[in-house]
Amino acid sequence: QLVVTQSPSASASLGASVRLTCTLSSGHTKYAIAWHQQQPQKGPRFLMNVDNDGRHRKGDGIPDRFSGSSSGAERYLTISSLQSDDEAVYYCQTWGPGIQVFGGGTTLTVL
Amino acid sequence: QVQLVQSGAEVKRPGASVKVSCKSSGYTFTRYYLHWVRQAPGQGLEWMGWIQSGSGASKSTEKFLGRVTMTRDTSITTAYLELSSLRTDDTAIYYCARSSGDQGFFDIWGQGTMVTVSS
Repeated sequence: QLVVTQSPSASASLGASVRLTCTLSSGHTKYAIAWHQQQPQKGPRFLMNVDNDGRHRKGDGIPDRFSGSSSGAERYLTISSLQSDDEAVYYCQTWGPGIQVFGGGTTLTVL
Repeated sequence: QVQLVQSGAEVKRPGASVKVSCKSSGYTFTRYYLHWVRQAPGQGLEWMGWIQSGSGASKSTEKFLGRVTMTRDTSITTAYLELSSLRTDDTAIYYCARSSGDQGFFDIWGQGTMVTVSS
């Protein structure tokens, strides 16, 4: 069964960097994923998609502070030079034949 | 610019139906798929299904089979989600989102439509 798993929460200080992780289920470790950001009281916004080989393509207007990478079954979103408006829930999305799957989201707190 | 603009909030009684619209602009409507995703209060994202905007073919998840109808009107580049036999646990924000295929990432999201089901 295709599943993506995310830690429920993360925190980091203003100006620091943080890496969020999305883990693909066994048998699906080569799948691509996408990252979406949902700020408080707003709808989701596409950040980037990340391939199995770590290549990533960002959405329009997404700052260079956001980057993606991969290692095995894990897909990462790294945010550098954290700002207060990076405080949000970050969702991982993946897909397969006839299915779209979201992770439970990681709530990022900027200290 | 590419955008999806959804219809306004709705309040419905249990057992009623609701129809949410998603107006597309800034791209060739018929070349893309539109997916529907909902988010219950305080919860995560739940995928409901897709419609191919050109052909009108659609697919919903098993959970919504028989209750969901997805349609589109190419003349006004608008897609619709109709959900029938509403229950209180259908209370959620409903989003449309664009992708280039039935599989693939969502690169544009609508702003969301709040649907409240209450007696």
